[in-house]
Amino acid sequence: DVVLTQSPLSLPVTLGQPASISCRSSQSLIYTDGNTHLHWFQQRPGQSPRRLIYKVSNRDSGVPDRFSGSGSGTDFTLKISRVEAEDVGVYYCTQGTQWPYTFGQGTKLEI
Amino acid sequence: EVQLVESGGGLIKPGGSLRLSCAASGFTFSKAWMSWVRQAPGKGLEWVAIIRHDGGETKYVDSVKGRFTVSRDNAKNSLYLQISSLRAEDTAVYYCGRDAGWGAIDIWGLGTTVTVSS
Repeated sequence: DVVLTQSPLSLPVTLGQPASISCRSSQSLIYTDGNTHLHWFQQRPGQSPRRLIYKVSNRDSGVPDRFSGSGSGTDFTLKISRVEAEDVGVYYCTQGTQWPYTFGQGTKLEI
Repeated sequence: EVQLVESGGGLIKPGGSLRLSCAASGFTFSKAWMSWVRQAPGKGLEWVAIIRHDGGETKYVDSVKGRFTVSRDNAKNSLYLQISSLRAEDTAVYYCGRDAGWGAIDIWGLGTTVTVSS
């Protein structure tokens, strides 16, 4: 199975400051169609997950532009340019290149 | 309104069975791949199963193969997960989700809780 390793697992941040989460894959996530099926989800306390970014860098509708995704191959990053209070929660990367799809362990962002 | 609503969870003894349901609305269910993802208490997310839009293809994570069965009824806009031979480690919130392609779940339900305990 593809193993996704996130770091850090805990991310204390100051309001208004940037934050960055790394997601490293045990193997390349480039699919045979040329796409890279690496996505990011946010799970606020007590809520269901919510997709933020799909296929590495495509931001979902309604997601603030302070969120951005980047990376290629096996190394990926989610960045928040200026953290706001509503960003508190756990962030997960996931890969859909190979079944079983897998999630990273999650990164808990706290203020 | 686009939504998914799970039901069917509960407290069940080890070795028991349950059928989880997920009612879809607000989108063309019959064209959507659907997934089940679970989250054990205080833990991360784990993919459980996925089913093609027509039900003709299903996949499972190894830990549930032979015990869980995913199915759907497109006429009823409903997704199901039959879970059997339950173990304590199956205790989790079970979410259904619309998979927009290769794991990119864009619609999540609120989840239904399964607790396996004697």
